[in-house]
Amino acid sequence: AQKITQTQPGMFVQEKEAVTLDCTYDTSDPSYGLFWYKQPSSGEMIFLIYQGSYDQQNATEGRYSLNFQKARKSANLVISASQLGDSAMYFCAMRGLSSGSARQLTFGSGTQLTVLP
Amino acid sequence: DTEVTQTPKHLVMGMTNKKSLKCEQHMGHRAMYWYKQKAKKPPELMFVYSYEKLSINESVPSRFSPECPNSSLLNLHLHALQPEDSALYLCASSQDPGGPDTQYFGPGTRLTVL
Repeated sequence: AQKITQTQPGMFVQEKEAVTLDCTYDTSDPSYGLFWYKQPSSGEMIFLIYQGSYDQQNATEGRYSLNFQKARKSANLVISASQLGDSAMYFCAMRGLSSGSARQLTFGSGTQLTVLP
Repeated sequence: DTEVTQTPKHLVMGMTNKKSLKCEQHMGHRAMYWYKQKAKKPPELMFVYSYEKLSINESVPSRFSPECPNSSLLNLHLHALQPEDSALYLCASSQDPGGPDTQYFGPGTRLTVL
């Protein structure tokens, strides 16, 4: 079984500052992938960044980076230089990658980020 | 190009109506998904098609009927829905098989059942 926990229902950040959104996970799969998605109020789920459990380096995509701490089972999303357009719901998700793993994504409950001008 | 399109964007229907939601992707992905999402909740998986065959049905009521006419298209046929079925319906696709298999989502259809 897999579980994703996002403990911050809501977060506020000042424009141009950095913000960290927390995500912890639990899985019995030896190989797994971690994903972050952004969902603005329009509804579309936008893929942001991916981290494989065996990747040696933390993933980065532009202003997004994933702070992956395998021993702590955490995969926090760091957004640098926040912009007003970053205001959205953010979901952390994971799936097992071992052969025979279910292809379903397990989602966390989400964090609503509001960027203040 | 990571575009998944969905039509219509909004749909209002009565409990006796029959309607269909459509999803299309041209990324050559071989897996397609339907999710249901209630406000301020994460998406809930409904169906998975892999190579145009239904591989997962998450105990969805029979008033929801999926169809995959070809590898690029995914439909969700709706009949005799209940007001509690009002939600955002998201379609996604992913490359199959193996690897991270990142799912790319469409913009969704906001369904209201009266």
